[in-house]
Amino acid sequence: AQSVTQLDSQVPVFEEAPVELRCNYSSSVSVYLFWYVQYPNQGLQLLLKYLSGSTLVESINGFEAEFNKSQTSFHLRKPSVHISDTAEYFCAVSVSGGSYIPTFGRGTSLIVHP
Amino acid sequence: NAGVTQTPKFQVLKTGQSMTLQCAQDMNHNSMYWYRQDPGMGLRLIYYSASEGTTDKGEVPNGYNVSRLNKREFSLRLESAAPSQTSVYFCASSDGTSQETQYFGPGTRLLVL
Repeated sequence: AQSVTQLDSQVPVFEEAPVELRCNYSSSVSVYLFWYVQYPNQGLQLLLKYLSGSTLVESINGFEAEFNKSQTSFHLRKPSVHISDTAEYFCAVSVSGGSYIPTFGRGTSLIVHP
Repeated sequence: NAGVTQTPKFQVLKTGQSMTLQCAQDMNHNSMYWYRQDPGMGLRLIYYSASEGTTDKGEVPNGYNVSRLNKREFSLRLESAAPSQTSVYFCASSDGTSQETQYFGPGTRLLVL
């Protein structure tokens, strides 16, 4: 079975600083990887996902994540954060050809300070 | 399209009371899910339904029952609420393949006294 580890439960940063939210997974087979974002008092919504092809995927609001198969990682980065990026971020993994139900990490709370 | 809707938004129950959380999706998705979210625990799957007419247990099914009423609707029932069931409950839906995005509802915040 696959598993996901989000290494930081909370990441405080100042506005306009860069940020990296770390995600590592374990699986013996090919995986699909997702980052979801949860704004305060809302449900989760997809931020970006890796299915195949280019290992670097981007979202429309400036986040990017890179699939690193050798390090089994899918870290999320943004070069300059805004106050509005304050949210909970969840990494998730599902198995290619296996159960379609994703496994979620425990989440990382990104807190952007002015 | 409304996406995934959940009712109610908030609920306070006393220990032993019962209630049903309702969920509906208008995206013609095959699969639907119920999760609970607790601080520091992330999302935990309670039950899921791969398709209309089928339901299966997830990671934390004890104390809950579900009904997949039709393709659109998937309800979660607490027969005898306990304080340990105080949580935020999310319904989600997807096409039912491992590549597919899950779409989440806004959540139901439940407090059991």
